[in-house]
Order: sequence, then structure tokens, then C-alpha cells
Amino acid sequence: DADVTQTPRNRITKTGKRIMLECSQTKGHDRMYWYRQDPGLGLRLIYYSFDVKDINKGEISDGYSVSRQAQAKFSLSLESAIPNQTALYFCATSDLTSESYNEQFFGPGTRLTVL
Amino acid sequence: KQEVTQIPAALSVPEGENLVLNCSFTDSAIYNLQWFRQDPGKGLTSLLLIQSSQREQTSGRLNASLDKSSGRSTLYIAASQPGDSATYLCAVTTSGTYKYIFGTGTRLKVLA
Repeated sequence: DADVTQTPRNRITKTGKRIMLECSQTKGHDRMYWYRQDPGLGLRLIYYSFDVKDINKGEISDGYSVSRQAQAKFSLSLESAIPNQTALYFCATSDLTSESYNEQFFGPGTRLTVL
Repeated sequence: KQEVTQIPAALSVPEGENLVLNCSFTDSAIYNLQWFRQDPGKGLTSLLLIQSSQREQTSGRLNASLDKSSGRSTLYIAASQPGDSATYLCAVTTSGTYKYIFGTGTRLKVLA
């Protein structure tokens, strides 16, 4: 089984709809991240969480919110989807230890299309 | 503000060639640097992680080097194969923030 899973893998929705993307991990990592990837722009950080009680905005958090339900679960919500949120969304995890040095591991991605 | 640049954006080489991918960053106060591989429409696979105190890391045909003072890292791929065709991304974590900043990647095509 994959260590970092994302659901759904693909989603098509309409402008104005609320949508939630979910991420689960079995790596036991404290740190979790949400990124979006757009052609030519690389990966940009939306939100990140260093433990269950810690939530931080990334560089492009407007229009998004997150929830860290447990160490293993981190959800991203689009309260009112708009077409320019069409992108590939990735969840990632890491752990800051003397063994792992914050190495990041990624989920398979969710392709979101907003019509 | 940390910025990460990867040049070239795309590269085509014949099978068997040794090649070098480049990654530059503007703030030398990094905690680590990680190289990833991404196949089209897929997630990122971690290839190598170099800690700030290290100069290089090796895994199979891959060798990554780090020169913090010049703000540069290179990923060397020996004896390239068509299966190496993918986009290669580098990302750095800046000391203190521990957030990753990504380059936009180099799209590699190895021709059979």
C-alpha cells in the first residue's frame, strides 16, 4: 500500500462549489503539506502543518482552507471553487529527525478541474 | 526570499550519454536540498537528499552534488536510458523555516 494517499484522484466540479481533497499517510510523519502544480510555475505551497495543533499558510493560501484531523490526515478545502484553481494538487509529508532530515514524500496527486 | 532556478527547462539526449542537470538557489542558508523525479501526470519520487553539511550523495547511476557557497547543485545521470525520461525537480529547505521551495524542473527526454 502507498504511504501517502490522496482522494479523489480526479475531480471535475463547477464554479462556486465547495470541494474537499483528502490526504492520509501511514509514514508516521508529523509534518504535512499541500501544494498545487501549474504548468510553468512549478509547485507552490498552499498550507502546511508541523503537528496536529499547528496550521500555517503557504505562499498561495487565498481561497483555500485546511483541517488537520489527526497526525495521519490533512484535508484541503476550496470553499467556493473558481476556474483558476484548476491544477494538480499534491499532499506531502516529512519528519524533522536526525535520520530523515525533513525528506519529503509525495502522494500521487489529485487532478482538479473547475468549470 | 529564496528562489530556485533550473536550467535548462528541457533537454534531449541520445541513449547512453552522461548528463548533468543544474539547480541554483539564491539563499545559501539551506537545511537540505532534495532532487525528485516526476513522470507525466504523476506524483514526485524522491531521488536524493543532500544535507547542508554534505557535498554529494549517490544512488546507483545518480550523483548529486551541493556547493552552498555558490548556491548550486547538480544531478549527474550516468549512461542515460529511455526510462530516465521524466521531469527532474530540485527543492531546497531554508534553515529556520523548513519549508521547501521548488524549481520549475528540467524535462528530460532520452532518445533510444
